[in-house]
Amino acid sequence: EAGVAQSPRYKIIEKRQSVAFWCNPISGHATLYWYQQILGQGPKLLIQFQNNGVVDDSQLPKDRFSAERLKGVDSTLKIQPAKLEDSAVYLCASSYGQGFGDYGYTFGSGTRLTVV
Amino acid sequence: DAKTTQPPSMDCAEGRAANLPCNHSTISGNEYVYWYRQIHSQGPQYIIHGLKNNETNEMASLIITEDRKSSTLILPHATLRDTAVYYCIVRVPSGGSGNTGKLIFGQGTTLQVKP
Repeated sequence: EAGVAQSPRYKIIEKRQSVAFWCNPISGHATLYWYQQILGQGPKLLIQFQNNGVVDDSQLPKDRFSAERLKGVDSTLKIQPAKLEDSAVYLCASSYGQGFGDYGYTFGSGTRLTVV
Repeated sequence: DAKTTQPPSMDCAEGRAANLPCNHSTISGNEYVYWYRQIHSQGPQYIIHGLKNNETNEMASLIITEDRKSSTLILPHATLRDTAVYYCIVRVPSGGSGNTGKLIFGQGTTLQVKP
C-alpha cells in the first residue's frame, strides 16, 4: 500500500512569510495527525482530525497556525506569519482507527522547514 | 505530557541483542504500548505494539510486565542499520470526542550499534 505522502520535502522562508504543507494520508485512513519535531526533540502533536472534523487542536498555536482537512482526505497545515522558532520538521501521520481499538499509525517523511 | 520514561542513550554490539527498557507506571488498562524508531531525516517507523501479552514480529519482540508498568523492546540481532532513536509511546485518548487515540512522544532512547 502507498504510504503517507507529504510535500514539499524541504522549504526555506524568511521570517514573517507564510508557508503551507500538504499531506495525503493512506487511502481509507479516517484519522490524520500533524506533528512538529524540533531538532533533538521528539515529535509534538499539533492537531488531530477525524474524517474532516478536528478532534484535538489543544497544542496548535492558533494565532499563526491553521490546518484543514477538506473532504476528509488530504490536509494542509499553514503558518502565517512564520517565526524563527517554527524551524522544524512537520510530520503527518494517519491511522485507520475510528475508535480506541487495536490499530497502527503510519508517518510520512516530513517537511523540513527552515525560517531565516 | 508523555507517559513514558526511557534512558537517553544506549550502546549495543553488532550481532548482539539490544534490549531497550521503558517505564510507563501510570498506564491505564486499555492503553496500548507502541514502539517506533526514527532514523536521521526520516519519519518515525512503526516497530511493534501491544496491550498485555508479549508480541513478536519480523523486526522485534515486545515484553510487557504483568503489571503493565514497564516494557522492553528486544532487537534480537542488532545491525548497524538499527542505529536510531527509539520511542516508547503509550497511546492515550484524544481530547474532544475522546473516542480515538493519539501518540504522545517523549525524548526516546538513542541506540548506537557498534561494530
